[in-house]
Amino acid sequence: DVVMTQSPLSLPVTLGQPASISCSSSQSLVLHGGNTHLSWFQQRPGQSPRRLIYKVSARDSGVPDRFSGSGSGTDFTLQISRVEAEDVGVFYCMQGTHWPYTFGQGTKLEIK
Amino acid sequence: QVTLRESGPALVKPTQTLTLTCSFSGFSLTTSGMSVSWIRQPPGKALEWLARIDWDGDKYYSPSLKTRLTISKDTSKNQVVLTMTNMDPVDSATFYCARDCSGDWCSFDYWGQGTLVTVSS
Repeated sequence: DVVMTQSPLSLPVTLGQPASISCSSSQSLVLHGGNTHLSWFQQRPGQSPRRLIYKVSARDSGVPDRFSGSGSGTDFTLQISRVEAEDVGVFYCMQGTHWPYTFGQGTKLEIK
Repeated sequence: QVTLRESGPALVKPTQTLTLTCSFSGFSLTTSGMSVSWIRQPPGKALEWLARIDWDGDKYYSPSLKTRLTISKDTSKNQVVLTMTNMDPVDSATFYCARDCSGDWCSFDYWGQGTLVTVSS
């Protein structure tokens, strides 16, 4: 299985400050056709996961533009330009290039 | 509007078989490229993908759980059923179903609210 490794696992951030989460895969996530199936999800306390980003950098409808995704190959990043209170929760990366799908361990974002 | 809802028992005994149903609306599993996946999350832990069923009946399973899982669909009812045999307390988790598909745009874009299953005697 492809191992997805996130860092940090805990991310205390001051309101209004930027935040960055890294996700590394044990194998390249690039398909022969060039597509890269890497998504980011946010799970607020007591809620189901919500997809924020797919195909590395495509933002879902309704997701604030302060969220952005980047990366290629085996290294990916989710950035939040200015953290707001509603961003509290756990963020997961997920790869859909190789079977089985695998998720990262999760990064818990909290407000300092 | 796409919605998914999981249903099933909240409590099962060790060695029993768990049967969960995902009822969905807003899309059809007769549409080419559409799929539904099941994911679980033990309390306080990360997400784990379990199984997927495609519009054409193809099925995919987590290799580590393949011998215990069966996924099926009833397109007339817009339902996907997951069974997991020989349940153990370590299988206690919230189980989610999510829309999946062959194109990135609709892969895991909608999730159910989840159903918590506790395995205990």
